[in-house]
Amino acid sequence: GAVVSQHPSWVICKSGTSVKIECRSLDFQATTMFWYRQFPKQSLMLMATSNEGSKATYEQGVEKDKFLINHASLTLSTLTVTSAHPEDSSFYICSARDGAGGMDTQYFGPGTRLTVL
Amino acid sequence: GEDVEQSLFLSVREGDSSVINCTYTDSSSTYLYWYKQEPGAGLQLLTYIFSNMDMKQDQRLTVLLNKKDKHLSLRIADTQTGDSAIYFCAESIQGNDMRFGAGTRLTVKP
Repeated sequence: GAVVSQHPSWVICKSGTSVKIECRSLDFQATTMFWYRQFPKQSLMLMATSNEGSKATYEQGVEKDKFLINHASLTLSTLTVTSAHPEDSSFYICSARDGAGGMDTQYFGPGTRLTVL
Repeated sequence: GEDVEQSLFLSVREGDSSVINCTYTDSSSTYLYWYKQEPGAGLQLLTYIFSNMDMKQDQRLTVLLNKKDKHLSLRIADTQTGDSAIYFCAESIQGNDMRFGAGTRLTVKP
């Protein structure tokens, strides 16, 4: 089946630095990718919808200048957490939508755990 | 590794009940979730259950958990065409690091 990878799987950074997380669809072209965040002991929260070649659509309450999303190709979307702070520590999951053949299936990455010291 | 498995497709007639099944392998899972994904949209949390519960009911939705068999099910009563979507089962340990199944595509026929 289709595979979505994320890199890195975990990262620890100092407060004030920026961190980039990559999401790749490995064997299909993803015109749409989604970025989610999971707070401890809570369910997923959709942060933004990323369409290839256009600006991401952010959910209400998500700061677009803090969480920069780039979807430059059909197989890669990146999420950059700028000037990270401890409250940004979370588990970030991406998913990629495979619309080929009319199936419209969404595949999830394994997630990236960000810890900001 | 630990897996969450679901059947890929389910087709029912409008008005019937739908039962979507999920199995997981990590016995230390403490939260189990059901998400709904409509075409082109992100996930919507439908319901979740703690591992110390056997059943949870919320309007037309009933979640059953058999912890011994590591089996989770979602029953939708009086299924409507608007329920057509992909349903994802997910688990987490102590609420962290969720793992998802591949999703079950529910088709409701008039």
